[in-house]
Amino acid sequence: NAGVTQTPKFRVLKTGQSMTLLCAQDMNHEYMYWYRQDPGMGLRLIHYSVGEGTTAKGEVPDGYNVSRLKKQNFLLGLESAAPSQTSVYFCASQHAGGFGYTFGSGTRLTVV
Amino acid sequence: EDKVVQSPLSLVVHEGDTVTLNCSYEVTNFRSLLWYKQEKKAPTFLFMLTSSGIEKKSGRLSSILDKKELFSILNITATQTGDSAVYLCAALNYNQGGKLIFGQGTELSVKP
Repeated sequence: NAGVTQTPKFRVLKTGQSMTLLCAQDMNHEYMYWYRQDPGMGLRLIHYSVGEGTTAKGEVPDGYNVSRLKKQNFLLGLESAAPSQTSVYFCASQHAGGFGYTFGSGTRLTVV
Repeated sequence: EDKVVQSPLSLVVHEGDTVTLNCSYEVTNFRSLLWYKQEKKAPTFLFMLTSSGIEKKSGRLSSILDKKELFSILNITATQTGDSAVYLCAALNYNQGGKLIFGQGTELSVKP
């Protein structure tokens, strides 16, 4: 009963470094999402996917790339990290046509 | 552009008080309005509202949706210190991968 698992939970990067955040779900959900949360700004959608092999841009996609090679995994990549990408990142998933997200526990990323 | 606005952004009350949190939305292909509670971790689901005028209730929390005026309220009666959290509302756009558009959140602090 893992639900949605995000790794890592914490990470500190230097400006210009790259990294990949992994989101894995075991509920056979079709839709997956990456959000970032900054103080006073709620959650903002970065990218999302409605199925294996498909991705789409959300509200704040610049500086990020994603891939969904397998239905259960949704990867978020930062090619060249910037301090403005310091944030808490949440992954979520849901069934197509379903009305409820299942959230991961979040990844706290600091870029120095 | 889809938009969800919450008010107030922060609120300080004393135990036993009643609070009303507001959420207005302008979302294309709107299907539902969801409320979440967030306590320094992933958001946890409170309510989903799809029909106008029907109150949903869970203990001391209740919520209602007005689809004509495009807003929702979340009421908490007899507040307790454990109600201290950020309350997020989100509108579901069913035509774009079922994505949720979040408001900025209302930070509620309940003092003993």
